Amino acid sequence: AQSVSQHNHHVILSEAASLELGCNYSYGGTVNLFWYVQYPGQHLQLLLKYFSGDPLVKGIKGFEAEFIKSKFSFNLRKPSVQWSDTAEYFCAVNHNYGQNFVFGPGTRLSVLP
Amino acid sequence: DTGVSQNPRHKITKRGQNVTFRCDPISEHNRLYWYRQTLGQGPEFLTYFQNEAQLEKSRLLSDRFSAERPKGSFSTLEIQRTEQGDSAMYLCASSSTAGTGTYTEAFFGQGTRLTVV
Repeated sequence: AQSVSQHNHHVILSEAASLELGCNYSYGGTVNLFWYVQYPGQHLQLLLKYFSGDPLVKGIKGFEAEFIKSKFSFNLRKPSVQWSDTAEYFCAVNHNYGQNFVFGPGTRLSVLP
Repeated sequence: DTGVSQNPRHKITKRGQNVTFRCDPISEHNRLYWYRQTLGQGPEFLTYFQNEAQLEKSRLLSDRFSAERPKGSFSTLEIQRTEQGDSAMYLCASSSTAGTGTYTEAFFGQGTRLTVV
């Protein structure tokens, strides 16, 4: 069975600091990878996705993620966070047959102004 | 708004009562998913449909839970004889084929927050 782990439960940063959130998955076949964000009181929204091609993918709001197949990782990065990035971030995976999406436990990001 | 719509947004029920939630997916999406999310956790998969066919059910989906998607459009999730442990946010999502045999990302609704007292 697929599983997704996220390295940090809660990350606290000051504005303008750089961000990297870790994500590892367990499935050995072809996968699709996603990062979702959940702002307080709002629904899950897609930040970025990887299906194939360039392993460095860019998403909305200045976020990017790098797929490293050998490490089964899909880490999320942002060079300079803003207070408005305070949210819960979820990594998710599904395999290429498009079945259910498996989510990690999430990382809560708090950005201090 | 053409996003995924869920109703009701909040439901408070007494233990032992039955509840039903509705999800209206994005209109052209043929895949529909139900997830459950508790505080501080990621969404946990419950079940999904392709058109009207229920293709997979999680072990989390006990026999008190049933989901339907009768005409391949909206879906309902019913919980019978609710228990306090059923208190959670119930999320619906939909996706569609990208024309290449794979599916797009999942688009989520706002969720239905269930509180069992």
